[in-house]
Amino acid sequence: GEDVEQSLFLSVREGDSSVINCTYTDSSSTYLYWYKQEPGAGLQLLTYIFSNMDMKQDQRLTVLLNKKDKHLSLRIADTQTGDSAIYFCAESIESNTGKLIFGQGTTLQVKP
Amino acid sequence: DADVTQTPRNRITKTGKRIMLECSQTKGHDRMYWYRQDPGLGLRLIYYSFDVKDINKGEISDGYSVSRQAQAKFSLSLESAIPNQTALYFCATQGAGNQPQHFGDGTRLSIL
Repeated sequence: GEDVEQSLFLSVREGDSSVINCTYTDSSSTYLYWYKQEPGAGLQLLTYIFSNMDMKQDQRLTVLLNKKDKHLSLRIADTQTGDSAIYFCAESIESNTGKLIFGQGTTLQVKP
Repeated sequence: DADVTQTPRNRITKTGKRIMLECSQTKGHDRMYWYRQDPGLGLRLIYYSFDVKDINKGEISDGYSVSRQAQAKFSLSLESAIPNQTALYFCATQGAGNQPQHFGDGTRLSIL
């Protein structure tokens, strides 16, 4: 079945770059998403990429997609303490339903 | 005001009780979803709906039921709550096609 995998924890120093990785199994994915969850809050959409793209940049965020290896990454430049949160990747597996499969979430800890 | 509102935000109850979680939205989206989040497991889909009175099972629907009587509202019920239903529950909405899903702030449910 469909599966999305993420490492559970990443720790970086303030000002460094963070790279959060995600692998997925379904080659028919149409869109891949990154969501951010701050403590006590819901999931906030950060960015998303269509499966025929290799890269998308949005201010401090860069998404890289390697379809051959089914690997997705989110790079956060100049990481700030406010970036501390759980980051979820998700893939859209059925274009006519919009259903998403989520990874387990990566907790990003930013140290001052 | 939030576009996707969940009530209550927190609930503690006892085994065997009937619980209803409410979700309402002002986004005008047809698609609505209920997920549960458990530590280390990401989000898992319980039920989803594409229109009024349309109900579809997700991957973990056992022990839950839903109702979609209006476009703006999607309620989740636990007919007889059990402790392993203790989790964080999220409602999400989605427009047509592969538009991103938009999440409420969640309901933290504890079953004693």
